[in-house]
Amino acid sequence: DIVMTQTPLSSPVTLGQPASISCRSSQSLVYSDGNTYLSWLQQRPGQPPRLLIYKVSNRFSGVPDRFSGSGAGTDFTLKISRVEAEDVGVYYCMQATQFPWTFGQGTKVEIK
Amino acid sequence: EVQLVESGGGSVQPGGSLRLSCAASGFTFSYYNMYWVRQAPGKGLEWISYINGKNTATFYADSVKGRFTISRDNAKNSLYLQMNSLRAEDTAVYYCARDLSGCYSIDHWGQGTPVTVSS
Repeated sequence: DIVMTQTPLSSPVTLGQPASISCRSSQSLVYSDGNTYLSWLQQRPGQPPRLLIYKVSNRFSGVPDRFSGSGAGTDFTLKISRVEAEDVGVYYCMQATQFPWTFGQGTKVEIK
Repeated sequence: EVQLVESGGGSVQPGGSLRLSCAASGFTFSYYNMYWVRQAPGKGLEWISYINGKNTATFYADSVKGRFTISRDNAKNSLYLQMNSLRAEDTAVYYCARDLSGCYSIDHWGQGTPVTVSS
């Protein structure tokens, strides 16, 4: 199975300041079709997860443009350009290149 | 509007069985691959099963293989998860989720149904 490792596991941030989360996979996430199936999800307290980014850098419908994804191969990053109060929650990376799909441990974003 | 509504969760003793259901609406159900993902209390997300839109292919996480069975009824717009030989470690909220078509991701999630396995 592909192991997904996120850092940091906790990220206290000041409102209006940027935040960055890293995700590293134990093997390349490039699929045989040339695409990289790495997604980022947000889970607010008491809510189901919500898709933010798919295929590394594609923002899902309705996701604010302060969220961006980047990376390639085994190293990926989610950036929030200016953190807002509604961004509090746990963020997960997820690989869908190979079954079983696997998630990172989650990174808790909270306001300082 | 896409809606996924899970039901069937509850409390069961170790070794028991439960059948979860997910009622889908707001989209052409048969066109989409579907998933079950679970989250143990205070823990992260765990993908557990996949079924394709045509009901011809399934995949399972090793943790549930041989005990859980995913199925669907496209005529009823419903997804199911039959869970047998339940263990304490299966205690979790179980989410029904829809594939982001052609992009290998999950674009819609249900609210989840809780399952507790305890004696």
